[in-house]
Amino acid sequence: EVQLVESGGVVVQPGGSLRLSCAASGFTFDDYTMHWVRQAPGKGLEWVSLISWDGGSTYYADSVKGRFTISRDNSKNSLYLQMNSLRTEDTALYYCAKDIARRELLYYFDYWGQGTLVTVSS
Amino acid sequence: DIQMTQSPSSLSASVGDRVTITCQASQDISNYLNWYQQKPGKAPKLLIYDASNLETGVPSRFSGSGSGTDFTFTISSLQPEDIATYYCQQYDNLPVTFGPGTKVDIK
Repeated sequence: EVQLVESGGVVVQPGGSLRLSCAASGFTFDDYTMHWVRQAPGKGLEWVSLISWDGGSTYYADSVKGRFTISRDNSKNSLYLQMNSLRTEDTALYYCAKDIARRELLYYFDYWGQGTLVTVSS
Repeated sequence: DIQMTQSPSSLSASVGDRVTITCQASQDISNYLNWYQQKPGKAPKLLIYDASNLETGVPSRFSGSGSGTDFTFTISSLQPEDIATYYCQQYDNLPVTFGPGTKVDIK
């Protein structure tokens, strides 16, 4: 059974930093592109970033480019999101999501975690 | 970026009703369009991929159609467990973008 478990969400002040983690199990982690998608309270879904199965390709939404860094450790079946220079508008539930395609960049999601809440507030 | 619009933003229907949601892309995305269901307090769930293909395990009362810029999502007979917000998502180009969602309620 595929499981994605996010952690690391806390309350942080504007300008602060945070690292989110996602522990994956139930599939061959290093065969799949992984994504972060966020959802502000009461709002819709916003794609944040992706990293290819081998870590060789990364992409970011313009809203986080230069501030967030996605990475993965295939030996630990883990995905990360380093978040710097946080803004109040980054407040959201952050989901990690598995891409549907094996060793391809297909950009959609067949499994999601339950999310970890990041609150940026003074 | 490709902008996605959905209508209506919300709807209320009776059990057994046919429900239709439309999604429009700001440019041609061929059939690179998916539909997700998000129940309150839960993560989204993929229902339809490539505009019209039913994800494994999803009930056949859900269907999708369309190509290019105009797409339709249909629930043929609304059930109480279908109460959720439905999102379309394009994956023709990065950044991946979602529609704003359609909230479906029981009348």
